[in-house]
Amino acid sequence: DAKTTQPNSMESNEEEPVHLPCNHSTISGTDYIHWYRQLPSQGPEYVIHGLTSNVNNRMASLAIAEDRKSSTLILHRATLRDAAVYYCTHAGGTSYGKLTFGQGTILTVHP
Amino acid sequence: DTAVSQTPKYLVTQMGNDKSIKCEQNLGHDTMYWYKQDSKKFLKIMFSYNNKELIINETVPNRFSPKSPDKAHLNLHINSLELGDSAVYFCASSQGGLGENIQYFGAGTRLSVL
Repeated sequence: DAKTTQPNSMESNEEEPVHLPCNHSTISGTDYIHWYRQLPSQGPEYVIHGLTSNVNNRMASLAIAEDRKSSTLILHRATLRDAAVYYCTHAGGTSYGKLTFGQGTILTVHP
Repeated sequence: DTAVSQTPKYLVTQMGNDKSIKCEQNLGHDTMYWYKQDSKKFLKIMFSYNNKELIINETVPNRFSPKSPDKAHLNLHINSLELGDSAVYFCASSQGGLGENIQYFGAGTRLSVL
């Protein structure tokens, strides 16, 4: 099973950038790194994923360390709607898409 | 149209009862999942089906039986409900089961066993 380590909680002010770190030292060479978030009373929502190179999409950026044992999710300008629990995980080709979620990071955004 | 829909949204029942949760996805995906989120918010996979075939069964009690009548549906039947089954159950789907595939989750079914 994928094992990840994230800070329990982080805080940010609105419109400031947020960097959410994750350690995934047990990742294998073919595993993709995934980030999901869960807003209150909702199901998890995909944020971004990547393999080796840094990735950008409309929601966030993903910075992956060269050794792939850690990654950072970057929200460029946090909004109140970004307040959620952020989970990082990794999944490989033989896991049939199995995502193992850790405790996640509770992100609080202050107005 | 909701991509992954679960019914019911809330389920309150007595210990010992049997209940079912239904899940449907309209994304054309061939892989579906059931996850359980307990009171401490840990989200854990229970089952995965690919093209109606069971792929993942994560040490779940036999009282839980998933059924996939077709690729678009994955239902979860629970026999002899216990207090410890109280949790939020999420259904998800993806196109294939590769590590790069994105999973889309339903809104969850909150099960309370009294």
